[in-house]
Amino acid sequence: GAGVSQSPSNKVTEKGKDVELRCDPISGHTALYWYRQSLGQGLEFLIYFQGNSAPDKSGLPSDRFSAERTGGSVSTLTIQRTQQEDSAVYLCASSLASADGYTFGSGTRLTVV
Amino acid sequence: GQQLNQSPQSMFIQEGEDVSMNCTSSSIFNTWLWYKQDPGEGPVLLIALYKAGELTSNGRLTAQFGITRKDSFLNISASIPSDVGIYFCAGQLGGNQFYFGTGTSLTVIP
Repeated sequence: GAGVSQSPSNKVTEKGKDVELRCDPISGHTALYWYRQSLGQGLEFLIYFQGNSAPDKSGLPSDRFSAERTGGSVSTLTIQRTQQEDSAVYLCASSLASADGYTFGSGTRLTVV
Repeated sequence: GQQLNQSPQSMFIQEGEDVSMNCTSSSIFNTWLWYKQDPGEGPVLLIALYKAGELTSNGRLTAQFGITRKDSFLNISASIPSDVGIYFCAGQLGGNQFYFGTGTSLTVIP
């Protein structure tokens, strides 16, 4: 596609429920990143995918967080047993190579009530 | 993770004024990026810097990669209302990820 597409744009969920956030990167971009942005804060790295290599999961805050990238394209970030502190904007970005500047999606605003 | 100190945290300026913000790190970076984020949107890349001492312009925006490779600054000349937003610096050590600063919130008063 023309840009990075994320869905849903907004998600309200009850504490304890699982959520799935989707990212559709720019066609042909081999690198895909997930970041989390809490209110008034900078961007916190979560996970990075590059081609068929094993993902860099070093930023995932707990084992409740996981992500997959199927077929080197679409990625899904899953948060299990959501907690209120998981409330944030989850941003996905893609790039042609890891040294390139990223193109970000508009994010998914997650609210855990 | 790496600490990027971005300053100032916020700025309130009159339309037409010039703006300067900077980013410092305790680590040496190979790449510096500057992004702007509008409300409800993802950050948009403004300028990318790949070499120490590099000075790059994009319209009214100018950014420099510090000689020490531990800092970068962004200048905006003759600010206009649409410059309002949050500006983020980001640095890359050479690994996979970019580390982001906490942002500078810019308000332009018409």
